[in-house]
Amino acid sequence: GEDVEQSLFLSVREGDSSVINCTYTDSSSTYLYWYKQEPGAGLQLLTYIFSNMDMKQDQRLTVLLNKKDKHLSLRIADTQTGDSAIYFCAESIIPDEKLTFGTGTRLTIIP
Amino acid sequence: EPEVTQTPSHQVTQMGQEVILRCVPISNHLYFYWYRQILGQKVEFLVSFYNNEISEKSEIFDDQFSVERPDGSNFTLKIRSTKLEDSAMYFCASSEGLATHEQFFGPGTRLTVL
Repeated sequence: GEDVEQSLFLSVREGDSSVINCTYTDSSSTYLYWYKQEPGAGLQLLTYIFSNMDMKQDQRLTVLLNKKDKHLSLRIADTQTGDSAIYFCAESIIPDEKLTFGTGTRLTIIP
Repeated sequence: EPEVTQTPSHQVTQMGQEVILRCVPISNHLYFYWYRQILGQKVEFLVSFYNNEISEKSEIFDDQFSVERPDGSNFTLKIRSTKLEDSAMYFCASSEGLATHEQFFGPGTRLTVL
């Protein structure tokens, strides 16, 4: 079955770039997502990428996909205190079908 | 901005009791989902619902679970006889459909089974 793995914690100094990594096992994963969860809130979609792309940039966010290694990363440029949250990687085969999530990476910003 | 809402935010129940978790999806959305997250574990898919029927369910979603859309706005998850291991955060989500890619999540209901 599908499996998605992430490291649990990441600490970054304010103003530096954060890179959150994710690996997945299902080669038929077609859509890969990054969700953000702030305390007491639901999961908010940040960005997604199709498996036929290798990079997507959206303002401070850059997603890199290495389909051969089944590795996905999210880079946040100029990390701010408001970026403190848990970041979840997720994948699906068909849009609007179930999402398979990773464990989430807790990003802590050091002033 | 439209959002998914869930009630209650925290539910405490005794083992063996029935619970109903409630969700109000975004009004023009067509797909509805329940996920859960046991403390310290991954967010897991439970069930998806489209056109008034279950479109997919996971192995977790056994006979103790049921979903319903009793009216035009609510989407509920019922657990008939709760077990200790049902303690988790339950998230409802909805999507517009039409391959829009975004599932909008509610803030979750924390279920504690004693």
